[in-house]
Amino acid sequence: QKEVEQNSGPLSVPEGAIASLNCTYSDRGSQSFFWYRQYSGKSPELIMFIYSNGDKEDGRFTAQLNKASQYVSLLIRDSQPSDSATYLCAARDNYGQNFVFGPGTRLSVLP
Amino acid sequence: DAGVIQSPRHEVTEMGQEVTLRCKPISGHDYLFWYRQTMMRGLELLIYFNNNVPIDDSGMPEDRFSAKMPNASFSTLKIQPSEPRDSAVYFCASSSTGPNQPQHFGDGTRLSIL
Repeated sequence: QKEVEQNSGPLSVPEGAIASLNCTYSDRGSQSFFWYRQYSGKSPELIMFIYSNGDKEDGRFTAQLNKASQYVSLLIRDSQPSDSATYLCAARDNYGQNFVFGPGTRLSVLP
Repeated sequence: DAGVIQSPRHEVTEMGQEVTLRCKPISGHDYLFWYRQTMMRGLELLIYFNNNVPIDDSGMPEDRFSAKMPNASFSTLKIQPSEPRDSAVYFCASSSTGPNQPQHFGDGTRLSIL
């Protein structure tokens, strides 16, 4: 069974620090990975995606992928209280069909 | 561009009633997904369609749930009869073909069964 795992948290970091969110996946056929942010009472919104090994940066966000270790991470630099949310990791397979979501990590940025 | 549109936003009904949730995917997207989210179980995939055809409905909890996609721009999720344990937020999402294409979510329907 294809699975995506995340630490449920809560992960608490002080304002201005780097928040590190981690995700592992079981299906080696997974080709692309997506990070979504979900505020309480809202729908998930896409932050960024990655499909090549290495780092991908977008503003304060950096996604990291290591296919050999089946590991994906999201770094948030200069964390702000407005970053407090649940972060969902998702994997999509090589055939571009289904997505598999992790349970999400709740992040709390303390002012 | 319009995103994924779901209706209604909120639904409160009594146990035993039929509930119909509606979704309009983003134009041009050929995948449509229905999810249910609760605090206890997180985000659960119920069913997804490709080109209007159901591909995987293994997440549909029981026969009381059914989903249809009569055309590329409309899908419904029906619960009949509804039960209090069906109370949750139901999301619809759509995407294009291709491993690098993300899902785009609607605002969800918050369903309360009394």
